[in-house]
Amino acid sequence: KAGVTQTPRYLIKTRGQQVTLSCSPISGHRSVSWYQQTPGQGLQFLFEYFSETQRNKGNFPGRFSGRQFSNSRSEMNVSTLELGDSALYLCASSFSTGGNEQFFGPGTRLTVL
Amino acid sequence: GENVEQHPSTLSVQEGDSAVIKCTYSDSASNYFPWYKQELGKRPQLIIDIRSNVGEKKDQRIAVTLNKTAKHFSLHITETQPEDSAVYFCAASKVVVDMRFGAGTRLTVKP
Repeated sequence: KAGVTQTPRYLIKTRGQQVTLSCSPISGHRSVSWYQQTPGQGLQFLFEYFSETQRNKGNFPGRFSGRQFSNSRSEMNVSTLELGDSALYLCASSFSTGGNEQFFGPGTRLTVL
Repeated sequence: GENVEQHPSTLSVQEGDSAVIKCTYSDSASNYFPWYKQELGKRPQLIIDIRSNVGEKKDQRIAVTLNKTAKHFSLHITETQPEDSAVYFCAASKVVVDMRFGAGTRLTVKP
């Protein structure tokens, strides 16, 4: 079956703008997690959605938000972009929440100028 | 919440040697411990995982051990090859709660 897909793959924005990233999980997976990856920082957990509900949120400011649709597709939004938001944003899907293998998408590379 | 620490941050070994990466976790309720490998420019991919009811798991040259009492788990790679060079992430998770990752270990295998 098809893997996790993310769009767009690359984005260039300027400070102050907002951005929306999209993630389509593997068919049948209901949990989608989002991570920010920057050099030397590893994978920083943003939030997890399961059945359209945010189950957990990491330690990120309120400028970072997300949602999940009834078909399990998820979007994350970053408002008022800052230079430090430049990163690879990865989403991962799993069959259910917690305690299960996560499958990662290819990521969206966001550059904020 | 869960806190996962991973050591070392970088590891260089000679081809054919073994490599060991260690992680500790804080939440004794965590029950799922996966290891991911991320090659340069690629997405993280699961290489092995272990659940809390098992002490050790092997898959060819890769093994993971779990010590629940001490709350630490380790990845062991034997007979390392240049293609093992990558960043390795450990993670800990429990039902209902999200998966938290370690900071990663950059493994370099020198031919």
